[in-house]
Amino acid sequence: DAGVTQSPTHLIKTRGQQVTLRCSPKSGHDTVSWYQQALGQGPQFIFQYYEEEERQRGNFPDRFSGHQFPNYSSELNVNALLLGDSALYLCASSSIAGGGNEQFFGPGTRLTVL
Amino acid sequence: AQRVTQPEKLLSVFKGAPVELKCNYSYSGSPELFWYVQYSRQRLQLLLRHISRESIKGFTADLNKGETSFHLKKPFAQEEDSAMYYCALRRIGAGSYQLTFGKGTKLSVIP
Repeated sequence: DAGVTQSPTHLIKTRGQQVTLRCSPKSGHDTVSWYQQALGQGPQFIFQYYEEEERQRGNFPDRFSGHQFPNYSSELNVNALLLGDSALYLCASSSIAGGGNEQFFGPGTRLTVL
Repeated sequence: AQRVTQPEKLLSVFKGAPVELKCNYSYSGSPELFWYVQYSRQRLQLLLRHISRESIKGFTADLNKGETSFHLKKPFAQEEDSAMYYCALRRIGAGSYQLTFGKGTKLSVIP
């Protein structure tokens, strides 16, 4: 099991563009959470998906949206990119049956907005 | 809203010295507390959580509700403990699933 995988590893975009990041959860996991980690900061919760629905959302604007597929993989979409969106985007998966308490993190996607 | 504070950005200790990484939180309800660690060029991983009350790699952490703290301790630091450490909180119940992280403390163990 490769654990949580994310693609791409790095991405460079310009202001105003749109971006899609992808995440495959750890085998056996059904819940995916997305976090944004700016330089020198801890991860900040964006939202969580379970059963293809957004279950909880953090303090992020509607420009941030997501999707979960029937195979539990997930996408994070960011529209109208701003310079401040430059960050490491982390995906974490967990299992509802396992209590959902332990989240396993992926390696992240480094997004640079120019 | 909940908040997690890690007052030290960087902590340097000598090998064999005791380590204490501080974590304070603010939340009026029942929290679940975690310590996550990120070694160089590796992904963020769970080190321990207060519910399990276990010692991992010699580290322990006790939840002190009176002082709203969850400090991470190890009696004798090893070079391989050098890493970034994040304290995180999850609200118990109320359908809350998000982790709220502190800004992290970089631990550097000097040989």
